[in-house]
Amino acid sequence: DAGITQSPRHKVTETGTPVTLRCHQTENHRYMYWYRQDPGHGLRLIHYSYGVKDTDKGEVSDGYSVSRSKTEDFLLTLESATSSQTSVYFCAIGSERDQETQYFGPGTRLLVL
Amino acid sequence: KNEVEQSPQNLTAQEGEFITINCSYSVGISALHWLQQHPGGGIVSLFMLSSGKKKHGRLIATINIQEKHSSLHITASHPRDSAVYICAVPRIQGAQKLVFGQGTRLTINP
Repeated sequence: DAGITQSPRHKVTETGTPVTLRCHQTENHRYMYWYRQDPGHGLRLIHYSYGVKDTDKGEVSDGYSVSRSKTEDFLLTLESATSSQTSVYFCAIGSERDQETQYFGPGTRLLVL
Repeated sequence: KNEVEQSPQNLTAQEGEFITINCSYSVGISALHWLQQHPGGGIVSLFMLSSGKKKHGRLIATINIQEKHSSLHITASHPRDSAVYICAVPRIQGAQKLVFGQGTRLTINP
């Protein structure tokens, strides 16, 4: 299994509070992704990174920001959490050599009350 | 219309049956992915294919680029195959951004 961890694995928070989710990899892969998974929508890309300090928006990026200050960590921040951001968040990584295969983390279940 | 459509959405079968899950897409692709999501939530990449057929154990994936269609087959299905199967394609050929189908929930009864 690819070495990907996510923290926290579960979180309950209140509307309006900032939340940061962390994705950590030990594979030295260049590409990292944040997805959310919701019933009826499947997985949707929030943001992705193609290197340290290099990030780009996905299809559902509003209300989210990311940072990647080192290869192994990709942080997803909900600037002011809303109930619509209640979801399961998955991080994924991809190598440069095997450019399009992605390996997924275990997921973070977030509930915004 | 979704860019990636899977059918059926739900499938229940008896142990030992031959299973087929279909994926049709409207975007141009360089490769199509099949993923498996276990009941506990973990997601595993099964196949990435750009032409023809790939086989791994009892799983077989095929793709027809001209028809923009892929199928995932499971032979001699087993209850441990029960999972959600997801197909995904890059929105732009060669790009990193994947578009995912909504998944097919497969239940294999003993």
